[in-house]
Amino acid sequence: AQTVTQSQPEMSVQEAETVTLSCTYDTSESDYYLFWYKQPPSRQMILVIRQEAYKQQNATENRFSVNFQKAAKSFSLKISDSQLGDAAMYFCAYAPSAGGTSYGKLTFGQGTILTVHP
Amino acid sequence: DADVTQTPRNRITKTGKRIMLECSQTKGHDRMYWYRQDPGLGLRLIYYSFDVKDINKGEISDGYSVSRQAQAKFSLSLESAIPNQTALYFCATSEPGFKAHETQYFGPGTRLLVL
Repeated sequence: AQTVTQSQPEMSVQEAETVTLSCTYDTSESDYYLFWYKQPPSRQMILVIRQEAYKQQNATENRFSVNFQKAAKSFSLKISDSQLGDAAMYFCAYAPSAGGTSYGKLTFGQGTILTVHP
Repeated sequence: DADVTQTPRNRITKTGKRIMLECSQTKGHDRMYWYRQDPGLGLRLIYYSFDVKDINKGEISDGYSVSRQAQAKFSLSLESAIPNQTALYFCATSEPGFKAHETQYFGPGTRLLVL
């Protein structure tokens, strides 16, 4: 079974600074997707960024980027130029691609609460 | 208008009561999911449905049942609610992976308190 681990229950950052959230996962699949979701106090789950395992290039979305290390099964999220609106719970999630035994199902990490200080 | 809606948004019920949480989507997706979120545990999959005739148990299905009334509607029932079912419940939808990279889109959540 796949597992996703976020070892940082809480992180904090000063506004305009950079912060990195860690995520590791365990799987025997060779093809899969990884995601970061953001959950602000409104509790809505918002997709931040997605990475396909077969792509070596790290995904980026504006101020958000990932460091995907497939061999190490590591998938960290870097937030640059942090803003007050980035304060939220962040979840790392894994999904196998077509043909995997858990095809179509997301496995989530425990979450990291990010606080942004003005 | 929201693509994935959940009703009710908040619910308080008593132990032993049967309750239903409803989910509707206008995204036209075939796949729908129910998750629960507990502090320190992230989101865990309760049930999922890849089409109207295909319903599957997830990681924590005991004490829950579902109904897929149509492509756009997927309901979660607690047959006899118990206090440890107090949680935040999310519905999600997705398209098959070859179309949309397994991305799931979430509703706003239902906060359930079982007394």
